[in-house]
Amino acid sequence: DVKVTQSSRYLVKRTGEKVFLECVQDMDHENMFWYRQDPGLGLRLIYFSYDVKMKEKGDIPEGYSVSREKKERFSLILESASTNQTSMYLCASSEFSGQTDTQYFGPGTRLTVL
Amino acid sequence: DQQVKQNSPSLSVQEGRISILNCDYTNSMFDYFLWYKKYPAEGPTFLISISSIKDKNEDGRFTVFLNKSAKHLSLHIVPSQPGDSAVYFCAASATSSGYSTLTFGKGTMLLVSP
Repeated sequence: DVKVTQSSRYLVKRTGEKVFLECVQDMDHENMFWYRQDPGLGLRLIYFSYDVKMKEKGDIPEGYSVSREKKERFSLILESASTNQTSMYLCASSEFSGQTDTQYFGPGTRLTVL
Repeated sequence: DQQVKQNSPSLSVQEGRISILNCDYTNSMFDYFLWYKKYPAEGPTFLISISSIKDKNEDGRFTVFLNKSAKHLSLHIVPSQPGDSAVYFCAASATSSGYSTLTFGKGTMLLVSP
């Protein structure tokens, strides 16, 4: 089974703090993704990476950056956290086969910015 | 502009009956479709998928139907069980795009009552 783990289930930070969210997958997948989920808005893609040291902006990259130094690890960075970044953050990974793009998700990190 | 739409925010069904969740899409480049199930405070779990070369895919109690001409897909759950109560997300992918990103709908909350 694919396993995607996220460093924290719950996190509380203060406005202006730098926040790191870590994600690790154990299936040697090339692709990794960061989403945020908000009520009534579904899952929105923040950033994704299709290879080590590669990154692409998703639909809502503003206020975020990412790092992928190793294939299995993808980090989301909030340079200066703001209250509107309070959300559920979800990491996912996939192996693009050319036919299917099934993504497998971690358990999520509920981030609260005070 | 929403490319994947789930127009019903919620659906209530009695145990043992059929649950039908609907999804519409606008991008004709989408050729792979997935359904995910999400419980509160957990990451989405992959449920079932369908390629555009098919019009039906079945897995146990879950069946997904695709109507390409109408740009519509539906998920049928028969028989529905209380444990099926969750938020269901429809997602779509354009596998020819070169990137394996998914576009998600906003979700439908299914409540199955005993």
